[in-house]
Amino acid sequence: SAVISQKPSRDICQRGTSLTIQCQVDSQVTMMFWYRQQPGQSLTLIATANQGSEATYESGFVIDKFPISRPNLTFSTLTVSNMSPEDSSIYLCSVLSQSTHEQFFGPGTRLTVL
Amino acid sequence: DAKTTQPPSMDCAEGRAANLPCNHSTISGNEYVYWYRQIHSQGPQYIIHGLKNNETNEMASLIITEDRKSSTLILPHATLRDTAVYYCIVRGKDTGGFKTIFGAGTRLFVKA
Repeated sequence: SAVISQKPSRDICQRGTSLTIQCQVDSQVTMMFWYRQQPGQSLTLIATANQGSEATYESGFVIDKFPISRPNLTFSTLTVSNMSPEDSSIYLCSVLSQSTHEQFFGPGTRLTVL
Repeated sequence: DAKTTQPPSMDCAEGRAANLPCNHSTISGNEYVYWYRQIHSQGPQYIIHGLKNNETNEMASLIITEDRKSSTLILPHATLRDTAVYYCIVRGKDTGGFKTIFGAGTRLFVKA
């Protein structure tokens, strides 16, 4: 199994600022994803983080708002830019083992925007 | 969009089997059925997956109908700690590569 850590675990931010969330995996993985979970809702896929190339975004999510980096096979960052209260959510990093088909999730980053 | 349909909530008595149904009538031949659960304030946890045969592990059993259009997750002896949201997902390789799209899930309440 893969162990995933995220930093920060939670933060409270002011409207108009940006926050970068880090995701670290304890093993090299091919597939990494970022999800958002708004209060009381299910998980929504934001994007697939591609190593060495631009992330692949889902409908409704754009690079200017959620820039993603993935410099290597064990690390990725998600930035939430120009935040508004509607961005208050839990943001989760996830990795997929293509050999076992298991998908693992990080503990999440709880973001509150005031 | 999610390709599965689940009841929004279910109750189960502690110690009894919890049977969680899932409809996936548009599943394609190369797509697997996965189950995850999310306990409050934690990231989703993988439970089990299968293609067409029934599967069992230490956590649960997965029963997939012969036409693969529906499945049932069985927790044989539910405990209070099994109270969680359970997500049924179908997933296969597409041009984007193994994306997992979550539906609304079933909120299971295990009661003493």
